[in-house]
Parts: sequence; C-alpha cells; structure tokens
Amino acid sequence: GAVVSQHPSWVICKSGTSVKIECRSLDFQATTMFWYRQFPKQSLMLMATSNEGSKATYEQGVEKDKFLINHASLTLSTLTVTSAHPEDSSFYICSAGTSGGLYEQYFGPGTRLTVT
Amino acid sequence: DQQVKQNSPSLSVQEGRISILNCDYTNSMFDYFLWYKKYPAEGPTFLISISSIKDKNEDGRFTVFLNKSAKHLSLHIVPSQPGDSAVYFCARSGGTSGSRLTFGEGTQLTVNP
Repeated sequence: GAVVSQHPSWVICKSGTSVKIECRSLDFQATTMFWYRQFPKQSLMLMATSNEGSKATYEQGVEKDKFLINHASLTLSTLTVTSAHPEDSSFYICSAGTSGGLYEQYFGPGTRLTVT
Repeated sequence: DQQVKQNSPSLSVQEGRISILNCDYTNSMFDYFLWYKKYPAEGPTFLISISSIKDKNEDGRFTVFLNKSAKHLSLHIVPSQPGDSAVYFCARSGGTSGSRLTFGEGTQLTVNP
C-alpha cells in the first residue's frame, strides 16, 4: 500500500514553455502533498506544501507564479513549471502523507525535467 | 530553525558487516525522525522511523537509535548487503501527516561484495 505515482518520469522541453507534472496517490487519500526538488548530489529541498482544496504554501525563495500547484482532489496534485528556463532543470519529487497517518510520507518516483 | 545534519557524505563497508549511518539534529521538540533510502533517479523509500519519546526501533536488519541528550540518531544495518548501496537520508517530521519533512544532506552507502 501507500503508492505514489508521478507522470511523466522524464520530460525535455524548450526554454519558455510550460510543463505539468502530475502526482497521484494510488491506494490512499492524501489531504496533503509535498513537492520537492533535488539538484545533483544535493538533498531534497521542499518547494511547497499542497493542501486539497486550498492554496499551496510555498517555501521561502520559491516563486509561486512560476511553480503553479493545484491539488484538486484527494489523490491528485499537479505542479506546473511555467516559462521554464534551463536553470529549472532538476529532479522533481512529490510525496504524500496518508490520511490518519502520523508522519510518514511516501514519495513518488520523481520527474526528471530538462529545459533546453 | 530546526536542522538535520549528516556529516558523512559517504560510507563504504564490506558485505555482511554492519553499516552505521549517523545524523545530528538541533532544536528538537516532540518530533519524529525517519530514515529514507534513495536510488539515483528514483524517489526516496521509507525505511524506518522513531518517535522522540523512544530510544530504539528495530525492523528486520534495520535499527534506529536515538540519543536525545546528544541530539544524535543512527541507523544500523546488519548484515549489510550489496543491494543496500544507495543514498540514505535522515529526516525529521512534526508528527502529523500534514507535517513537512526536513532532510539531511544524505550519506552514500556502498556495500562491497
């Protein structure tokens, strides 16, 4: 149980275009989902906390107009990278906490974004 | 600022021996600490956790120890297997499913056959 999927697993886009990444909890409901970014050989950096039915909470330094997060249902959150630039190239990972669970988060497999 | 630090970027052990991964933290309140394992280009996989009211938690080959006075936790893997080779992250949580995780920098474990 507690499976989280992400789509796509990798994407290449041109500079200036937008890319949407989906995060789904497959076998549980997730009122809260989290979006992380990981650069090579670095730790996971929390970008934002996504709550179903409400606005996301962004970490300091993360542009909310650039990284649009939508959490329309208890099983789906989306991250849209708008007007992508090469410096946005990274590994994006989502996670979800199980409803009623205490503190464990389950992570998706990640999405490799390359902006050319 | 509640920080989690992993001061060893890498660790190499022989198959069958014990792997000990360390993590230090600051400003602890009633938290939970977790260990995740991560392969390249994959999301982290939850391994084991411990509440700050406990000293030890064991699950198969994995044991986590928490030393509250020293603000230190460690993950022991016994016996180590080549498939354990991965990056290990310690993390702390505020204790609910809506709590953010704060990750350490990670330690690359290599288990040699």
